[in-house]
Amino acid sequence: DAGITQSPRHKVTETGTPVTLRCHQTENHRYMYWYRQDPGHGLRLIHYSYGVKDTDKGEVSDGYSVSRSKTEDFLLTLESATSSQTSVYFCAISESGGLGNQPQHFGDGTRLSIL
Amino acid sequence: GEDVEQSLFLSVREGDSSVINCTYTDSSSTYLYWYKQEPGAGLQLLTYIFSNMDMKQDQRLTVLLNKKDKHLSLRIADTQTGDSAIYFCAAKTSYDKVIFGPGTSLSVIP
Repeated sequence: DAGITQSPRHKVTETGTPVTLRCHQTENHRYMYWYRQDPGHGLRLIHYSYGVKDTDKGEVSDGYSVSRSKTEDFLLTLESATSSQTSVYFCAISESGGLGNQPQHFGDGTRLSIL
Repeated sequence: GEDVEQSLFLSVREGDSSVINCTYTDSSSTYLYWYKQEPGAGLQLLTYIFSNMDMKQDQRLTVLLNKKDKHLSLRIADTQTGDSAIYFCAAKTSYDKVIFGPGTSLSVIP
């Protein structure tokens, strides 16, 4: 299994508080992704990174920011959490971009509840 | 825009074959993937097929691709209770952008 660790695995917090989720990889892969999973929607891309300090928005990026200061760590921050951000968050990594056939490998997810 | 569709539920009897279907909209999709998600876990890559292939077989799994109709299917032979999970179809479009379907929840009845 790909070496991906998400922390925390579960978190309950209140509306308006800041939240940071961490993804740590030991594979030295260039690409890292944050998705959210909601019933009926599958996985939707929030943000992704294609290198240290290189990030871009996905389809549901509003209300989220990311940072990647080291190859191995990709942080997702909710500056002021809202109830609509209650979800399961998955980090993924992949070795190459472009037309490469390297699939994404996923962490075990973080279940975030915002009350 | 790009989209991937799947039926949400499938129920089969143990020992039967399961067929999970998927359609996608982007004809430039290069790779198509099937992922499995067990309860409380992340997505696990099962198999993938390149767009110039029609079929790929891997033990109990058979992937069929109809590029003209933009239709992908996953057949699981001799389905077991351990195959109960959510199965996601995903299509890779330009520059490593991957679009996921909503997932098909497979229930295997003993």
